[in-house]
Amino acid sequence: GENVEQHPSTLSVQEGDSAVIKCTYSDSASNYFPWYKQELGKRPQLIIDIRSNVGEKKDQRIAVTLNKTAKHFSLHITETQPEDSAVYFCAARNTDKLIFGTGTRLQVFP
Amino acid sequence: DVKVTQSSRYLVKRTGEKVFLECVQDMDHENMFWYRQDPGLGLRLIYFSYDVKMKEKGDIPEGYSVSREKKERFSLILESASTNQTSMYLCASSFATAATNEKLFFGSGTQLSVL
Repeated sequence: GENVEQHPSTLSVQEGDSAVIKCTYSDSASNYFPWYKQELGKRPQLIIDIRSNVGEKKDQRIAVTLNKTAKHFSLHITETQPEDSAVYFCAARNTDKLIFGTGTRLQVFP
Repeated sequence: DVKVTQSSRYLVKRTGEKVFLECVQDMDHENMFWYRQDPGLGLRLIYFSYDVKMKEKGDIPEGYSVSREKKERFSLILESASTNQTSMYLCASSFATAATNEKLFFGSGTQLSVL
């Protein structure tokens, strides 16, 4: 089955800096890669996703890149703000299941 | 707004008890999922369902069962609760798998403590 690895587990950045979170997946048949953000005490919410026929997708300060050959995808947050502080989960969908990574706790310091 | 409602925010049970976690969604979603969330382990899929009376095992189904008698309701059952089932349980729902509609909507979670 699919296995998703996510790094780093924690990430601290200064406000205004960029943050990058990386994930790798094992099953080359996976074709959908979403990112979820979970603020403290709240439910996870989808922030961006990418499909296997696209290499990059941007939405304001966040972007996701996908390298199908290497089977890895990354979340990029530019000009980080304190409200970006949260746990971020990557995921990969293979046939009928969405498999999540172990999460990255991002802290943005003012 | 889609609402996924989990019946309890916090639950404390004793070892060996039978535990029911209820989840209801109001958007006529076909798909429903149960995940557990543990620090350092992320979200792990326990069971999922794509239709009424249909269920599929996820990655960690041992010690759990599910019930989906109605489209809007998906129940997670711990037949005999054990301390290693202490966790945050998250229910989620989505439309049927499609090219443009795969977003998961999560409930607010049930923090279960088994003593």
